[in-house]
Amino acid sequence: AQTVTQSQPEMSVQEAETVTLSCTYDTSESNYYLFWYKQPPSRQMILVIRQEAYKQQNATENRFSVNFQKAAKSFSLKISDSQLGDTAMYFCALLAGANSKLTFGKGITLSVRP
Amino acid sequence: DAEITQSPRHKIIETGRQVTLACHQTWNHNNMFWYRQVLGHGLRLIHYSYGVQDTNKGEVSDGYSVSRSNTEDLPLTLESAASSQTSVYFCASSVSSVDNEQFFGPGTRLTVL
Repeated sequence: AQTVTQSQPEMSVQEAETVTLSCTYDTSESNYYLFWYKQPPSRQMILVIRQEAYKQQNATENRFSVNFQKAAKSFSLKISDSQLGDTAMYFCALLAGANSKLTFGKGITLSVRP
Repeated sequence: DAEITQSPRHKIIETGRQVTLACHQTWNHNNMFWYRQVLGHGLRLIHYSYGVQDTNKGEVSDGYSVSRSNTEDLPLTLESAASSQTSVYFCASSVSSVDNEQFFGPGTRLTVL
């Protein structure tokens, strides 16, 4: 079974500053993928970034980057130069094995203050 | 442009009624999924399908059913709605490969009174 844990229910950050959202996971699979999804007030689920477990290099997408610590089973999301539009709920998700099913964490509500 | 749509976007029904939520994708994806979002618990998998005539139970399948008669559609039916099923429901799809991104629909907010 796969588990994803997001222990922080909410965070707040000042506009233009950097914030890190934490996520830990557990799986017995050797082949897996990790994702961060953003859910703004519109409720639409938007993929922010993905990481293949076999890649050592941390994924980066513009202001978003991850710190993937495979041995510690940790997958944190760093948002640089935070913008008001980053205010949303963020979900960490794990896709492991050959079944294409995603396991989600509980999510974290991020508020960006002007 | 290819897309995934859900209808209705909002629905209010009485306890014990049957309701079907529609999901339609135009990407020709083989994989389709239904999730429900529960506050404080993220998204939980209800049912999924890997192709026509294939359906599988997810972790919270009790009280729900799906059918897959074509590639584009995976309707979700609540046979006898309960207040505990009040939630936001998301449909998603992906290509067959295990590592491919799931694309989500806009969600359906269902209220059972």
